[in-house]
Amino acid sequence: GNSVTQMEGPVTLSEEAFLTINCTYTATGYPSLFWYVQYPGEGLQLLLKATKADDKGSNKGLEATYRKETTSFHLEKGSVQVSDSAVYFCALSDRQGGSEKLVFGKGTKLTVNP
Amino acid sequence: DVKVTQSSRYLVKRTGEKVFLECVQDMDHENMFWYRQDPGLGLRLIYFSYDVKMKEKGDIPEGYSVSREKKERFSLILESASTNQTSMYLCASSFVSGNTIYFGEGSWLTVV
Repeated sequence: GNSVTQMEGPVTLSEEAFLTINCTYTATGYPSLFWYVQYPGEGLQLLLKATKADDKGSNKGLEATYRKETTSFHLEKGSVQVSDSAVYFCALSDRQGGSEKLVFGKGTKLTVNP
Repeated sequence: DVKVTQSSRYLVKRTGEKVFLECVQDMDHENMFWYRQDPGLGLRLIYFSYDVKMKEKGDIPEGYSVSREKKERFSLILESASTNQTSMYLCASSFVSGNTIYFGEGSWLTVV
């Protein structure tokens, strides 16, 4: 079945450091890919998405590019801030019957220190 | 803005109790989902529904049931709560033709 593997955390960085959170997927066909973010005590929010190969999703300085050749969707930011501290989930869409559902990675906790 | 509302943020229940977790969405979405989130395991799909009165099992349906009598409301039911069902439960919804899924804020359930 379809699956998502993302790098295990926790990840701790200093402010202004470069961030990469790796995400690779296994899927039949061409799923849409997503990054969701979860701030402490809250539900998940859609951060960005890409629906086809070579698409780049971006939001709040974070970005990810859909790489079909490497089946990857790594999340990157050139200079992190304390406010980026959160848990990040990579996900892919999985069509089952007539509806679409998400398959998630296990999440990566990011802590950014001042 | 899409609003997915989970009625209870924090619940404490006793082993063996019947527990209802309620979720309402205001965007006329056809699809609704229940996930549970556990440290180190990420999000796992319990049940989903693509229409009123329709339901499909997800990856971990054992010990749970669901009800969807109205399009906007999707209830998760723990028939007889057990301590291993202590978790955070997340409700979500989406259009059938789209692939962006919107989440509620989550319900923290502790079974003692």
